[in-house]
Amino acid sequence: GAGVSQTPSNKVTEKGKYVELRCDPISGHTALYWYRQSLGQGPEFLIYFQGTGAADDSGLPNDRFFAVRPEGSVSTLKIQRTERGDSAVYLCASSLTVDQETQYFGPGTRLLVL
Amino acid sequence: AQTVTQSQPEMSVQEAETVTLSCTYDTSENNYYLFWYKQPPSRQMILVIRQEAYKQQNATENRFSVNFQKAAKSFSLKISDSQLGDTAMYFCAFTPSNSGYALNFGKGTSLLVTP
Repeated sequence: GAGVSQTPSNKVTEKGKYVELRCDPISGHTALYWYRQSLGQGPEFLIYFQGTGAADDSGLPNDRFFAVRPEGSVSTLKIQRTERGDSAVYLCASSLTVDQETQYFGPGTRLLVL
Repeated sequence: AQTVTQSQPEMSVQEAETVTLSCTYDTSENNYYLFWYKQPPSRQMILVIRQEAYKQQNATENRFSVNFQKAAKSFSLKISDSQLGDTAMYFCAFTPSNSGYALNFGKGTSLLVTP
């Protein structure tokens, strides 16, 4: 079956602009995670959803970052007033449930803020 | 706080040889889960192997096996009969079982398999 998909694959924007990054999890997976991977680093947790609700958003760096999952499937990560330091690869993962199930990752969106 | 340390930024191995990637972690939890993920240049993170801390037996998946030393908080990955397609970044990751389910990743080890 289809894996986790993310769009766009690459996004270039200017400082101060608003961007949306989309994640389509594996069908039937109830848990969805967002991570950010800066150059030369491992992924860092941002937020995870169980169903439609954000169960843990402690990794969001500040209030410019927001994520939604209105129907419990597709999720959108939204970044307002982008800064150059937001440049990174944004990874999405899903798992069947949140209870220690293996997380399956998408290919990521590479965001470059000029 | 939980931390994951991968002390080898880069490693190289010849095709068909065996290589071991090291990982140590720090936690006060007794039950948790450990993972090795592979990230090729395509950026896709692929699960290599998973270990539950309550299991004594080391996990194996074909050419991949781990040496899990709970007391030493060590979780190394052994790749046997290395293949050119094993060239990638390898990340060790940890998640506690009773508080949140986010993965904590190390900084990664870049593995190059040479002909």
